Amino acid sequence: DAGITQSPRYKITETGRQVTLMCHQTWSHSYMFWYRQDLGHGLRLIYYSAAADITDKGEVPDGYVVSRSKTENFPLTLESATRSQTSVYFCASITRQGQHTEAFFGQGTRLTVV
Amino acid sequence: SQQGEEDPQALSIQEGENATMNCSYKTSINNLQWYRQNSGRGLVHLILIRSNEREKHSGRLRVTLDTSKKSSSLLITASRAADTASYFCATDGGTSYGKLTFGQGTILTVHP
Repeated sequence: DAGITQSPRYKITETGRQVTLMCHQTWSHSYMFWYRQDLGHGLRLIYYSAAADITDKGEVPDGYVVSRSKTENFPLTLESATRSQTSVYFCASITRQGQHTEAFFGQGTRLTVV
Repeated sequence: SQQGEEDPQALSIQEGENATMNCSYKTSINNLQWYRQNSGRGLVHLILIRSNEREKHSGRLRVTLDTSKKSSSLLITASRAADTASYFCATDGGTSYGKLTFGQGTILTVHP
């Protein structure tokens, strides 16, 4: 199916463990993003990528690592999970045509760190 | 800090009424977009207005943009219970990466 998919949808992990959230898109969009959504903060950008092997930090990158070896995949890794990383994580890809920009979001991953 | 700030934080109306949500931002933009998020789901793009546009319509949606005041409004006319969702404005600063900066959102509840 065409679109952007995230896995898992729900994850519970323990403090200190490494966990990877997966994101896959079928459109071959160049730009991909990871956001976290927390009550009172809206969506905050963690990392973004303009193309394979090109990534950069967003607003709240500490404690996260990303990679982009293939255009369609953009995994997000929490190297050593902390309770403050309990959140809902959204992956998005963006299409740009001239001045028109539109983001397509995955369904989100609800991560709980205990 | 967030580029876009929405107002009000929550809005409760009856079906058939109009809903107006406002968004303010701080820096220059290339365009401003509105997204909807249903509970437990990802965000869905609704409408985009470019920095050189003042008003745009799409179905029951009307968006205005005032770049001098750095503000935008989203009007949903003749609201339906299915419009119940969170609404976010997002600004595109025009960088090559196409980064979008989101506000905190307005929670809209439409009562049948």
